[in-house]
Amino acid sequence: QVQLQQWGAGLLKPSETVSLTCVVYGGSFSGYYWNWIRQPPGKGLEWIGELNHSGSTNYNPSLKSRVTISVDTSKNHFSLKVSSVTAADTAVYYCARGRTGSYFHYNYMDVWGKGTTVTVSS
Amino acid sequence: DIVMTQSPDSLAVSLGERATINCKSTQSILYSSNNKNYLAWYQQKPGQPPKLLIYWASTRESGVPDRFSGSGSGTDFTLSISSLQAEDVAVYYCQQYYTSPYSFGQGTKLEIK
Repeated sequence: QVQLQQWGAGLLKPSETVSLTCVVYGGSFSGYYWNWIRQPPGKGLEWIGELNHSGSTNYNPSLKSRVTISVDTSKNHFSLKVSSVTAADTAVYYCARGRTGSYFHYNYMDVWGKGTTVTVSS
Repeated sequence: DIVMTQSPDSLAVSLGERATINCKSTQSILYSSNNKNYLAWYQQKPGQPPKLLIYWASTRESGVPDRFSGSGSGTDFTLSISSLQAEDVAVYYCQQYYTSPYSFGQGTKLEIK
């Protein structure tokens, strides 16, 4: 059974960079997309970006200039960096596995990490 | 970008009764090449990550009780719970994965009446 375990710094000051990591246990890294999604307190879900096993990435334009998603397949983990954070970046950040097809690209999330709370405060 | 809008924002249903949540997209998410609707439904309970219930608008994820069903096509979709159980209290989200940026509805909070 695939499990995602995530960790990272939880309290940051404005202008700092948040760094989160998600490790994939019990499953293959290839053949899937790997996503980051966030959820501000009391609000809905926002997709941040995706990455495949070869390192190709795709970001939400609303965050693209500040976001980097990277992968280390040798360690079965992928990471998120969001730079120049403000209070608006305060949220629970989730990593999630996305199912996709070999011919058609799609990405719905079938396995989720438990979430990491990131708070930005001076 | 595709905007997903759910209705209602909250819903109270009696145990054993049917619950229905709607989701509408600003453009069709039916892909003509494979005739599939690129829509998923998730359930989120307090303090937990979302859980995948339905994909391709109507395909139930393995292990999801058959009281959950999805329907619709094009721009209008519905999640139905045929006989509400206490453990179904949660927030439900639809998501389109037709095109990036993938987007979620604002959520519908389901409670017991």
